[in-house]
Amino acid sequence: EADIYQTPRYLVIGTGKKITLECSQTMGHDKMYWYQQDPGMELHLIHYSYGVNSTEKGDLSSESTVSRIRTEHFPLTLESARPSHTSQYLCASSDTTDYNEQFFGPGTRLTVL
Amino acid sequence: GQNIDQPTEMTATEGAIVQINCTYQTSGFNGLFWYQQHAGEAPTFLSYNVLDGLEEKGRFSSFLSRSKGYSYLLLKELQMKDSASYLCAVTDSNYQLIWGAGTKLIIKP
Repeated sequence: EADIYQTPRYLVIGTGKKITLECSQTMGHDKMYWYQQDPGMELHLIHYSYGVNSTEKGDLSSESTVSRIRTEHFPLTLESARPSHTSQYLCASSDTTDYNEQFFGPGTRLTVL
Repeated sequence: GQNIDQPTEMTATEGAIVQINCTYQTSGFNGLFWYQQHAGEAPTFLSYNVLDGLEEKGRFSSFLSRSKGYSYLLLKELQMKDSASYLCAVTDSNYQLIWGAGTKLIIKP
């Protein structure tokens, strides 16, 4: 079944730790996105990719980095987590047609102590 | 700049009808989406409009007027499970999806 997956679903870590949030999709989509969303607030685009070896920063300044070595995989890394990084992180993907519907993963809720 | 406006919060009664408005100012237009997002969950697709007019899908309908930069989502026969945030998003001339802040809909018995 074609889907988009994120792991872990929940993560509690201490300040200064390096973490990687995983995102994989089996829909064959070229475009992938990472959003940050605080409870009850709007989605903020932090990174996106239009294909293998393509990554761009989004509208929200972020201290995270991403990579796109395989079409299906788009991990997000925080080199040194801080309490200000506490948020929900949503991964999404879409195909390359003009239609542009984005399909979302279940999200990772990150808490940095 | 690019801007999408929606009411922050609306309240409606179970069984009633509610209309959620969205106005947009974007650099170009290549379609408008409505998504539903329950608290703590990911957004899920509801509807898509690219031409003027009304698109109906069961209890939900979405309307678009490109000349007015305006859309609405109409929810009929409201159920308690419709309590959620409703996000309006527009695809701009670069095929980037611009998101509104969402409208939190509260359904009361």
